[in-house]
Amino acid sequence: KNEVEQSPQNLTAQEGEFITINCSYSVGISALHWLQQHPGGGIVSLFMLSSGKKKHGRLIATINIQEKHSSLHITASHPRDSAVYICAVIFFGNQFYFGTGTSLTVIP
Amino acid sequence: GAVVSQHPSRVICKSGTSVKIECRSLDFQATTMFWYRQFPKQSLMLMATSNEGSKATYEQGVEKDKFLINHASLTLSTLTVTSAHPEDSSFYICSATKDGLVETQYFGPGTRLLVL
Repeated sequence: KNEVEQSPQNLTAQEGEFITINCSYSVGISALHWLQQHPGGGIVSLFMLSSGKKKHGRLIATINIQEKHSSLHITASHPRDSAVYICAVIFFGNQFYFGTGTSLTVIP
Repeated sequence: GAVVSQHPSRVICKSGTSVKIECRSLDFQATTMFWYRQFPKQSLMLMATSNEGSKATYEQGVEKDKFLINHASLTLSTLTVTSAHPEDSSFYICSATKDGLVETQYFGPGTRLLVL
């Protein structure tokens, strides 16, 4: 069974804290997305990974193919980072599965 | 960058009416577009895959006669919710790919549908 699990489900942090959100999946994948969904609903694709690590500003995404695990890190978190972060994986066979999301609130 | 728009952003309609949602790729040609729905506090669920010039492929459990999808051009796909009912109230999101690959998707801002 193809599954995508995220943790934590909810996360509250103080401004400036380092944040980590985790994503685990059950079978081999061809790629993994980290998405950000703001309260208004719009979705932005932050990263697409198939191996290694990517960095964009204060955001870092890593993936370990052998362990079937990816992490999204936010350094020096800010209230504007408050959003739902969704891990989405593409299993071989072109099936796209979404995690249930991590709701992040950054308090000033 | 690749921009995808949706129209309308919000719509309220009466039960029994039909609602059309447009998804446009503004600065690229999208051979494939995807339609998702999202219920409150739940993740996105793929409804259908829309390929330009051909019939959409619906996911299991999605009624193709209720959710009509048309992808008439490389920049426009439409989703029509026919005879809408309150249980169709949801957030509908489209995405588009430049190259037809699932891996490279650009998401629209979503359309919030409320059926009274």
